[in-house]
Parts: sequence; C-alpha cells; structure tokens
Amino acid sequence: QQPVQSPQAVILREGEDAVINCSSSKALYSVHWYRQKHGEAPVFLMILLKGGEQKGHEKISASFNEKKQQSSLYLTASQLSYSGTYFCVSGNKLTFGGGTRVLVKP
Amino acid sequence: GAVVSQHPSWVICKSGTSVKIECRSLDFQATTMFWYRQFPKQSLMLMATSNEGSKATYEQGVEKDKFLINHASLTLSTLTVTSAHPEDSSFYICSADAGPTDTQYFGPGTRLTVL
Repeated sequence: QQPVQSPQAVILREGEDAVINCSSSKALYSVHWYRQKHGEAPVFLMILLKGGEQKGHEKISASFNEKKQQSSLYLTASQLSYSGTYFCVSGNKLTFGGGTRVLVKP
Repeated sequence: GAVVSQHPSWVICKSGTSVKIECRSLDFQATTMFWYRQFPKQSLMLMATSNEGSKATYEQGVEKDKFLINHASLTLSTLTVTSAHPEDSSFYICSADAGPTDTQYFGPGTRLTVL
C-alpha cells in the first residue's frame, strides 16, 4: 500500500520553510526521500534507516519516527532549485508515496 | 556516484509494434534492477524487479507476457513492451540497487508514445 504524503502541493516564497509528511499504514523499516523535476528521473536525497534518525543535506533535512510509521522532510530557507515533486519511498518494497509538488517562487 | 543510463530517451511507435528499452549501470554492478512506470502527474509505480540470471518478479496487475524483462548481465536489464497500444504510452524509468541500504539510482527515463 502506498505511503500517504501531505500536503499534496505547496507554494513557497524563496526563503520560506515547509514540511512534507509521509505516513504508512504498514511498518516502515526505512524511508527514502527523492525529488523529481518535471520530465526527469527522481534524484536520491537521503535515506533514514533507524527510528529517531535525522539527516540533512544543506538545508533539507528529514526525520523518521519508526513507531508512528512516519517521516517528515523539512525544507528550510527554500531556494528556487527546491522546486519539484518530492516522494517518500517505503524501503520495504520501494513503494512510492503519492508525491508532494513544491513550487518555490522568487 | 552511481550512474544509470537508459536508452532510448524517447520513442514513438505504431500500435502493435514492440519496443525495447535498455537500462545500464555504468560504474557499478547491479544484481537487482527495478522498472517503474509513471503516468503524467502521478507517482512512480513499480512494475517489476529484475534479477540478474533469473526471472523477473512482477507486481500484481502487470502482465509479464506483455512487459518482457531480461537481466542478462550485472550491468544491463532490458524491458520490452510487446504489441504496444496507446494506453502503454508512459514514462518508463529503471533504477539499480547500488548497495546494502537499498538506495536506488535512477536512469533518466524513457518516454514512450504509442500512436
């Protein structure tokens, strides 16, 4: 079953923050986050393997609550290059969430 | 980093013809590759898992006789869409498993248009 992401879409001004949530009805053993630009393949952002783990790359970070079967992706001080569709992926069977479209405007 | 290529990038074909898409891992060996399909404004849907030297594992609802997968070597997997129809038009993306954490590296995708 597909992980559920929220919100489905978000529009930001450059420099603003956003949070993307991902929840699963099944046990989550690991969570991957990818970003896809229009017409391109998804690009790996990060993987979280353990409950309580937090990771970051520049100003994009993520957390993983294994007990709650949830993960969140944090976009801090967003840049124009952050625009795209973000997917969480359940590591159990590489099941993609529905995606969250992010548009960062100047 | 791990690089995956796909060929062709796009293809237009007539209904009823077959189309082969190649997926290659360029700088690493991949015993497992994955094939996804993505319709416009939708998420990626896993079609099948391609295992080197053995039969592919297909997801529920994916016709194995229509989507033929061959994983002949540790760096190449092919997907053949047989007797393609307009409803098969989609963005097909492969990925390769690059390590113990199941991190997937994606190819650039192939856009198939069936007329």
